[in-house]
Formats: sequence, C-alpha cells, structure tokens
Amino acid sequence: EDKVVQSPLSLVVHEGDTVTLNCSYEVTNFRSLLWYKQEKKAPTFLFMLTSSGIEKKSGRLSSILDKKELFSILNITATQTGDSAIYLCAVVKGKLIFGQGTTLQVKP
Amino acid sequence: DAGITQSPRHKVTETGTPVTLRCHQTENHRYMYWYRQDPGHGLRLIHYSYGVKDTDKGEVSDGYSVSRSKTEDFLLTLESATSSQTSVYFCAISEPRTETQYFGPGTRLLVL
Repeated sequence: EDKVVQSPLSLVVHEGDTVTLNCSYEVTNFRSLLWYKQEKKAPTFLFMLTSSGIEKKSGRLSSILDKKELFSILNITATQTGDSAIYLCAVVKGKLIFGQGTTLQVKP
Repeated sequence: DAGITQSPRHKVTETGTPVTLRCHQTENHRYMYWYRQDPGHGLRLIHYSYGVKDTDKGEVSDGYSVSRSKTEDFLLTLESATSSQTSVYFCAISEPRTETQYFGPGTRLLVL
C-alpha cells in the first residue's frame, strides 16, 4: 500500500532557528512530490519536486527530493513566528497521497 | 488565490440528518476533489471528479456521495450524518496538465 510518512509530527523552535522537516514515502512510479503550508485555513502550495537532487528554493524555504533514498526534506532558515503552521507533503500518483503533516510552532 | 469557494463554511447538524456541502470554482478546472482533514490523519481523499458527471471514489468514500452537474460545482452529500463525520472538509481543483491542487477555504462540520 502506498504510504507517506512525515517527521517529526510536531516541532517547537525559537525565532531564528533553522528547521528540517522530513517526508519519506513508500510509493512506486510517482510523478512528483508536493509541499504545502497550512495555517488556520486551506493548504497553500509551496513546492513541486519532480527530479532527484535538484533543490527548489523560495526565500528562506528550500526543498529537495531524493528518489533513491525515498524521501524529501523541507528546510526553513531563520524561522519567524509567521512560519508557524502545519506543513504537508503529498506524493502525486494520479491522486495526491498525503502524509500526516508536521505542526511547526515558532516562538518569539 | 484560486477562485474556489465552499459553502457553508461552518455547520452544526444532528446525527441522522442529510448534509450537502458545496464547492464552487471560477477557474474552469476539469478536476475537483473532496478531502476531509482530521488530527493525526492529514488530508484524506473522499471522492473526486474528472469532468461533468464523471466521479470516482477516494480512500474514505463510505457514507458520502458526490455529484457534478456543472463544471463549476461539486457537491458532497452525507446521506445520514454520523458523529464520525465531524471533520473539516476541503475542496480542491486541478488541471490534468499540472499536478498541483489548489484548495478552498474549508467547511467545519460538527455532527452532534
């Protein structure tokens, strides 16, 4: 059965810290992996990763996919309180297969 | 923001009553989806549609039905609501040529 697992499930850091969120998957023949950020509303799209080893970057956020080791990471540098959210990864295989999400809390 | 609205945004109902949630899009996207989100489970697909009158089941479809009579509207119906269907429901849309899904604002449903 296709499966996506995120870790940690929750994380508390202080402003300025760097965090790494993990997404591992047991999914064959998928096309891409997506990252979303969810505050107290709908998930919003962050990144789509299709190729192994190519980093996607947007400001303080970056992400990379390792298709050999079956995982992706989302890095956030110099965290701010506005980064507090649930971060979701999803593997695209026809439909989206979501992980459980990582809840990040950034304290002032 | 993608042009997706959901109604109602909040609903409280009683066990055994029928409930219909509406998703409306102005993007003319072909694909539409209904998810539920519960603590510890992330987002789980209930049903999806790949065109008018074309729908299929997701991983948690029991107790739910859908209809899509127009491109812009996708309805989710709980025929007889149960307390286990208390959840936050999200609608999403996408195009076949891109795999990114865009989500509506969600509906909070409480079944007493």
